[in-house]
Amino acid sequence: DVKVTQSSRYLVKRTGEKVFLECVQDMDHENMFWYRQDPGLGLRLIYFSYDVKMKEKGDIPEGYSVSREKKERFSLILESASTNQTSMYLCASSLEYEQYFGPGTRLTVT
Amino acid sequence: DAKTTQPTSMDCAEGRAANLPCNHSTISGNEYVYWYRQIHSQGPQYIIHGLKNNETNEMASLIITEDRKSSTLILPHATLRDTAVYYCIVRVATGGFKTIFGAGTRLFVKA
Repeated sequence: DVKVTQSSRYLVKRTGEKVFLECVQDMDHENMFWYRQDPGLGLRLIYFSYDVKMKEKGDIPEGYSVSREKKERFSLILESASTNQTSMYLCASSLEYEQYFGPGTRLTVT
Repeated sequence: DAKTTQPTSMDCAEGRAANLPCNHSTISGNEYVYWYRQIHSQGPQYIIHGLKNNETNEMASLIITEDRKSSTLILPHATLRDTAVYYCIVRVATGGFKTIFGAGTRLFVKA
């Protein structure tokens, strides 16, 4: 079974802090994705990567950056966390067809 | 990617078949129909996908109309654990392209 793991299930950070969300997949997938999910807005794509050191902006990249130094790991970085970045963050990976999602990180910025 | 339309919510009795419809009238010839579901507090889970033929796996069946403008996901014997939000998505097959999740259908399976 494909396994996608995220570093934390719950995280509480203060406004202005730098936040790192880590995602690791164990199936040698080329593609990895970061989404955020908010009530009434569904899942929105932040960034995705189709290879090591490659990244593409999704629909809402502002306020975020990403890093993909190794194939299995895709990191989402909030350079200076703000309260409007309080959300559920979901990581996914894929080879061709289906995406496999991690359990999510619920981030609260106070 | 083509847009999809799904009912906001549906109910189904436990043990009965759950039929979840999806309209995708602007689908292109190279776009597949995918279904995912999201159980509360978990990440979305892939269910099934198809191009134009009907598909079946251990989780569900996918029926696509001949003109490909709509499809139906069938859970043949719904259980309480199938209560979830079900997303119908239309996109090209290549894995590197983004997947656009709409609002989905909230399915309630009742005892």
